[in-house]
Amino acid sequence: DGGITQSPKYLFRKEGQNVTLSCEQNLNHDAMYWYRQDPGQGLRLIYYSQIVNDFQKGDIAEGYSVSREKKESFPLTVTSAQKNPTAFYLCASSAGSPRSGSPLHFGNGTRLTVT
Amino acid sequence: DQQVKQNSPSLSVQEGRISILNCDYTNSMFDYFLWYKKYPAEGPTFLISISSIKDKNEDGRFTVFLNKSAKHLSLHIVPSQPGDSAVYFCAFRRGFGNEKLTFGTGTRLTIIP
Repeated sequence: DGGITQSPKYLFRKEGQNVTLSCEQNLNHDAMYWYRQDPGQGLRLIYYSQIVNDFQKGDIAEGYSVSREKKESFPLTVTSAQKNPTAFYLCASSAGSPRSGSPLHFGNGTRLTVT
Repeated sequence: DQQVKQNSPSLSVQEGRISILNCDYTNSMFDYFLWYKKYPAEGPTFLISISSIKDKNEDGRFTVFLNKSAKHLSLHIVPSQPGDSAVYFCAFRRGFGNEKLTFGTGTRLTIIP
């Protein structure tokens, strides 16, 4: 049963600590994405990767870092430089570039709370 | 620079009636328009999409309308069912080779039994 797995579902961290959110997919998709959802602001793109060992900044990349060493995995690190890290983080994938409008498939998200 | 607006944060509709969700956009370069549905504490799921060369696309109870001259996108759900209660996001793609989707702020739809 193919899908995207994000873990953990809830994560709590102290301010000043880096934290890494996991995202794994078994859909054999080339492209993967990280979005952040805040109340009343919709989904905003943090980083995306179209192919292994390559990634690009999205609209709100400051304070975040990613890696794409394997096709199946696209972890996101929230660093201490991110000013407002508390949010709901969503990982997504698509079957290569969505040149026919092919949609993103989302995981169930990780809610990060930093205090 | 808010390129996409969902002006209604919430909408309540009687079960069996039509639900109409709306999005307005400013960027003429969008080439694909999508609707996603989201339940609490879950990821969004894709509902339906439409290309910029069309003005209507239908899938079962869901129909998406695109008015390019007015830069307006709408989703019609008929008949509305209790399971349709969720947050709905419109999303826009900027064109061939540009992988980013721009999302609206969402509309919370509540179906009243």
